[in-house]
Amino acid sequence: EVQLVESGGGLVQPGGSLRLSCAASGFTFSTYWMNWVRQAPGKGLEWVANIKQDGSEKYYVDSVKGRFTISRDNARSSLYLQMNSLRAEDTAVYYCAKNFAFDIWGQGTVVTVSS
Amino acid sequence: DIQMTQSPSSLFASVGDRVTITCRASQGISNYLAWFQQKPGKAPKSLIYAASSLQSGVPSRFSGSGSGTDFTLTISSLQPEDFATYYCQQYSSYPITFGQGTRLEIK
Repeated sequence: EVQLVESGGGLVQPGGSLRLSCAASGFTFSTYWMNWVRQAPGKGLEWVANIKQDGSEKYYVDSVKGRFTISRDNARSSLYLQMNSLRAEDTAVYYCAKNFAFDIWGQGTVVTVSS
Repeated sequence: DIQMTQSPSSLFASVGDRVTITCRASQGISNYLAWFQQKPGKAPKSLIYAASSLQSGVPSRFSGSGSGTDFTLTISSLQPEDFATYYCQQYSSYPITFGQGTRLEIK
C-alpha cells in the first residue's frame, strides 16, 4: 500500500524550531518529487515547498524562504521540513504529498505556534 | 504569482444533481491544473491532474476540462459521499497555488 506518514508536529513558542518528517512506503521514493503543503485552521490549502528526486532543486513559497528547509533521505524513504523562526501564522496542519500531481497525501501533522 | 479563483465559493445541491465548479487562472497555465477533494478533518484527495486526467480509483462521474486560463470540474450525478470542499491547483509555475475552495453542501 502506498502510504505517507507525517510526524514531528507539536506546540512551539514563537521564534522556536521544529522538524517535521514524512515516512514513505509502498513506492520507489527516490523517483518522485515530494511536497509539503499546509492548511491553517479553517483556511484553504497552501503549498509550502518541494524537492527534486535527488535533492538538487528545492522551491519555497515566499513566506517561508530563509526560515524553512526541505530535505530528503532517499535511503530512508523520508522527507523532512526543518522549520526555524516560527511565527503564529505558521500554525497549521502540515501534509506531505507525492509527485507533481500530488497524487498521494499523508494524514497530516499539527503545528501550533503559540506562547 | 498565479492567482486561482474558484466559483462559486459554496454550492448547495441534491443527490443526483449535475454540478460544475469553475476555476480561473490569472494567467495561462496550459493544462497544468489539478483538482482535489477534501472532507472535514481529512487529508485532501487527488481527483484529476493535467486538467482532465482522472486519478486511478476515482469514479468516472468526476471529469475535468479546460486549458489556458479557464477550467471546470464536473460531477455528473452527485452521490452522498461527494459532499466536500473542492480545490483547484496550478503547477505551471512557482509558487504552486491553490484556489480558495468550493464548499459543496447538501440542499
